[in-house]
Amino acid sequence: DVKVTQSSRYLVKRTGEKVFLECVQDMDHENMFWYRQDPGLGLRLIYFSYDVKMKEKGDIPEGYSVSREKKERFSLILESASTNQTSMYLCAGSNTGDYQPQHFGDGTRLSIL
Amino acid sequence: DQQVKQNSPSLSVQEGRISILNCDYTNSMFDYFLWYKKYPAEGPTFLISISSIKDKNEDGRFTVFLNKSAKHLSLHIVPSQPGDSAVYFCAASGRESNYQLIWGAGTKLIIKP
Repeated sequence: DVKVTQSSRYLVKRTGEKVFLECVQDMDHENMFWYRQDPGLGLRLIYFSYDVKMKEKGDIPEGYSVSREKKERFSLILESASTNQTSMYLCAGSNTGDYQPQHFGDGTRLSIL
Repeated sequence: DQQVKQNSPSLSVQEGRISILNCDYTNSMFDYFLWYKKYPAEGPTFLISISSIKDKNEDGRFTVFLNKSAKHLSLHIVPSQPGDSAVYFCAASGRESNYQLIWGAGTKLIIKP
């Protein structure tokens, strides 16, 4: 199983700040994902990556960027935080291949004031 | 347009009885379906999956049923236990989604003692 660790459980930042959310997986797996979860909306994919230095936009990439310099680490960046980015952020990893379940970290509850 | 719908935001079930969580999808090209369970302040945990070549998959107290003609799947939990109280998400995947997971909005299951 993939173990996924997110560096912060709770984070409070101010509007306009640049925010970094870090995620590390402890298996040698290529696939990593960033989601946000909001009540009544399920999980929405922000960005994903199938390999080092590779990134693909998900459904809601606006206002976000990502970095994948090493296979085990996938960072989500809020370039200039806004209050509508207050949310639960979830990182996931999965094995390569179709039909592989994604395994999630415990999430970061981010509040933008 | 939501491709995966969980129409019940919440469900309350007596301990020991059967819990049935429902999920509908609109895209007939989806061919792999998953259920995840999420406790507050934790990431979703993979529970059970089913591919479109099957109509039933069972794992202990959890059974998923797939009705392709109705584009409907359900998760049965028998018997329900207090620890089953959580939010349950269904997700779908297939070639048209580039094998990314498309998520429902979730159903909050409450098991009453």
